[in-house]
Amino acid sequence: QSVVTQPPSASGTPGQRVTISCSGSSSNIGSNTVNWYQQFPGSAPKLLIYSNNQRPSGVPDRFSGSKSGTSASLAISGLQSEDEADYYCAAWDASLNGVFGGGTKLTIL
Amino acid sequence: EVQLLDSGGGLVQPGGSLRLSCAASGFTFTSYSMSWVRQAPGRGLDWVSSIGDSGDRINYADSVKGRFTISRDDSKNTVYLQMNSLRTEDTAIYYCARYDFWRNYLDYWGQGTLVTVSS
Repeated sequence: QSVVTQPPSASGTPGQRVTISCSGSSSNIGSNTVNWYQQFPGSAPKLLIYSNNQRPSGVPDRFSGSKSGTSASLAISGLQSEDEADYYCAAWDASLNGVFGGGTKLTIL
Repeated sequence: EVQLLDSGGGLVQPGGSLRLSCAASGFTFTSYSMSWVRQAPGRGLDWVSSIGDSGDRINYADSVKGRFTISRDDSKNTVYLQMNSLRTEDTAIYYCARYDFWRNYLDYWGQGTLVTVSS
């Protein structure tokens, strides 16, 4: 059971906007930046959002992140079938230990 | 092109040992920290350990502390994870990842290597 909480599932139809929440504490999200990772079945995770709201080169601007206090969220607008994947938030705690959320499985209806 | 090649996984009995390797290429290895992250079958990501660019700043998850040891060989551009006293709950795919310490993220990941602990 992770100390950072995400909903286990989310869903949306093509073209919709969906948000995934991530809730932590003052010792992790509250004191450090949040990253988001996207993982397809059978593949390694991929960095999707870093430093709360920055996109690495090549990530579509349909993906956006935000953080407030001890919570963060990932928003995906204009949903596409290829966005169906698992999404994980992550942060480092004050002891420099990594912490991942439990993951959210996004289903495109 | 940044590449991380994980290897060393396999089947081991409870109480046994295994050493994972991660060979890096395509970047200046000595400028980056490195991390190991694991994923049990059907479960989420679980951070295991990190090591600084100079071999310092070593950290472990509580679940592996005292049993696992992370190290690096800069002459071989390789990071290792020595796993001792393995338990069935250590069964997972183990990924190495490049850790940008100053920006606080894992930006490149290996393909993973499967460790199965079973009698």
